[in-house]
Amino acid sequence: GQNIDQPTEMTATEGAIVQINCTYQTSGFNGLFWYQQHAGEAPTFLSYNVLDGLEEKGRFSSFLSRSKGYSYLLLKELQMKDSASYLCAVRDSGAGSYQLTFGKGTKLSVIP
Amino acid sequence: GAGVSQSPSNKVTEKGKDVELRCDPISGHTALYWYRQSLGQGLEFLIYFQGNSAPDKSGLPSDRFSAERTGGSVSTLTIQRTQQEDSAVYLCASSLEILSENYGYTFGSGTRLTVV
Repeated sequence: GQNIDQPTEMTATEGAIVQINCTYQTSGFNGLFWYQQHAGEAPTFLSYNVLDGLEEKGRFSSFLSRSKGYSYLLLKELQMKDSASYLCAVRDSGAGSYQLTFGKGTKLSVIP
Repeated sequence: GAGVSQSPSNKVTEKGKDVELRCDPISGHTALYWYRQSLGQGLEFLIYFQGNSAPDKSGLPSDRFSAERTGGSVSTLTIQRTQQEDSAVYLCASSLEILSENYGYTFGSGTRLTVV
């Protein structure tokens, strides 16, 4: 089975940096995804990590430590439009590798 | 199409009625997924299609739920005898192949189902 934990809510100031953590306990692991979901909209892909280390994409970076079952999403130079829910999702291995198991999401509020 | 299209966007139904939710994936995407998102909960996997076949239906909550996909394209999720606990946003996603590492899934905007 899969268990994925992330904080429920976070608040950060425009222009600042925020780190959203995700921990997972899974029976198999074949990659971790981060998605962004604005209220009432579809989740959109942000990043993918399968090896340990940091993946950087503009203002967004994602880190993975497989030994610790830990990932974080780092958002720099926060903008008001970054207010959204951020979903951590783990891809299973083996027979379940088509399926993503999602955490409950972290609702980020960016304030002026 | 340009994106994953779902219809209707909103559906209010009376308890006990049947509903059909439709998903039109991105053209050429062979894999299609249904998820359910309830308030305060994570996305719950329901079913996955590869082509017209559904290798894994284990996520369907009960035998009131069924899904089909025809022509390797459009999929329909049917909920019979709806109950209030079925109220949720039903999200469809598609991908070119099983879980592309470049973008994972492309999601539709979902159908918000309310059972009254």
